[in-house]
Amino acid sequence: NAGVTQTPKFQVLKTGQSMTLQCAQDMNHNSMYWYRQDPGMGLRLIYYSASEGTTDKGEVPNGYNVSRLNKREFSLRLESAAPSQTSVYFCASTGDTTYEQYFGPGTRLTVT
Amino acid sequence: AQSVAQPEDQVNVAEGNPLTVKCTYSVSGNPYLFWYVQYPNRGLQFLLKYITGDNLVKGSYGFEAEFNKSQTSFHLKKPSALVSDSALYFCAVRDHYGNNRLAFGKGNQVVVIP
Repeated sequence: NAGVTQTPKFQVLKTGQSMTLQCAQDMNHNSMYWYRQDPGMGLRLIYYSASEGTTDKGEVPNGYNVSRLNKREFSLRLESAAPSQTSVYFCASTGDTTYEQYFGPGTRLTVT
Repeated sequence: AQSVAQPEDQVNVAEGNPLTVKCTYSVSGNPYLFWYVQYPNRGLQFLLKYITGDNLVKGSYGFEAEFNKSQTSFHLKKPSALVSDSALYFCAVRDHYGNNRLAFGKGNQVVVIP
């Protein structure tokens, strides 16, 4: 039981490049989330998915797209990376009755 | 919209002394409240939650938190701090209307001094 896994752990991009961050959970959770963490700003929700086939914008969705591929997987795509997207990205999931969210180890992204 | 305030950026405490990390919240209706801890270069780990029932909830690693509805607070406490408790602590809240979205505070850096 691996919980929530994320790939890659680290990534460096040049401005304008694209990439996809992958997330998978093995806890049979319906809800999945993407956050970004910046110093002094806590965690901010980018997108979330309440169930397979649905996605909704969070607090800071601009510049990102998501895909809920199946119940296990939820990916985050940066189509044209910008230096303002330098951050640590966390994926999380939760069940319908557990309430607390379980987090992956994070992806540290640097855009130069 | 729900929100959380963690008023102190950093909390310094001597090893063996009581540790308190403050959190106040704003939410419609009854809150669901959570504390998470983050060690350097790691993801967030769940510590404890308040959903309903006893206002004092106990969690992992000897931590506890007290829900105070009149003061809209959910302070995290530990009777005797350890150096290994040095980390970043986040408070979070959601409403109970079926919305699974959490609002996080900005986090408190806890430094336990040997």
